[in-house]
Amino acid sequence: DSGVTQTPKHLITATGQRVTLRCSPRSGDLSVYWYQQSLDQGLQFLIQYYNGEERAKGNILERFSAQQFPDLHSELNLSSLELGDSALYFCASSAGSETQYFGPGTRLLVL
Amino acid sequence: QKEVEQDPGPLSVPEGAIVSLNCTYSNSAFQYFMWYRQYSRKGPELLMYTYSSGNKEDGRFTAQVDKSSKYISLFIRDSQPSDSATYLCAMRDYNTDKLIFGTGTRLQVFP
Repeated sequence: DSGVTQTPKHLITATGQRVTLRCSPRSGDLSVYWYQQSLDQGLQFLIQYYNGEERAKGNILERFSAQQFPDLHSELNLSSLELGDSALYFCASSAGSETQYFGPGTRLLVL
Repeated sequence: QKEVEQDPGPLSVPEGAIVSLNCTYSNSAFQYFMWYRQYSRKGPELLMYTYSSGNKEDGRFTAQVDKSSKYISLFIRDSQPSDSATYLCAMRDYNTDKLIFGTGTRLQVFP
């Protein structure tokens, strides 16, 4: 158990809908990262937050947004969902620039 | 060309074998190198973390980094069926916390 929690574990929704994925980092970790894992693209970095502020952005679509709250939990919002958004979404956390610890992931299926 | 290349396998070995997993990369700025293990439908679990070139050993696992060749390896000694998983290499440069992952090598250790 990495200490990173993610909810929900599974999510099934329809195209055009909006969903919110939630992540709680390890105790004391200030950085939260979001990754998308699909069969054809592997693990892709989406976005990083550090102590409430956006720190880095990867190949995150404009339909996707994230935020980190004062209690350091983070949410990833996915809107206008498309079939191709079906994937595993992982959150990771770290204390600084050191190693990242991953949560169990949210499996999203868009029908 | 991807920044990080990794043979997807699958790699199938008998119990007790020495396993060699490898990644090559193109970005000479990468300084930090990691190996993660991912069981099916689970989050990636950090196995090894190394900085710059050299070797690092932890139990049955040895990580090697050859920056001159842009090549990293993970060796698993006395492999066990419980080692059956997908192994992901990951790396980053000192300017960013963003991890770039290989696509993963699926390993199967049979009794």
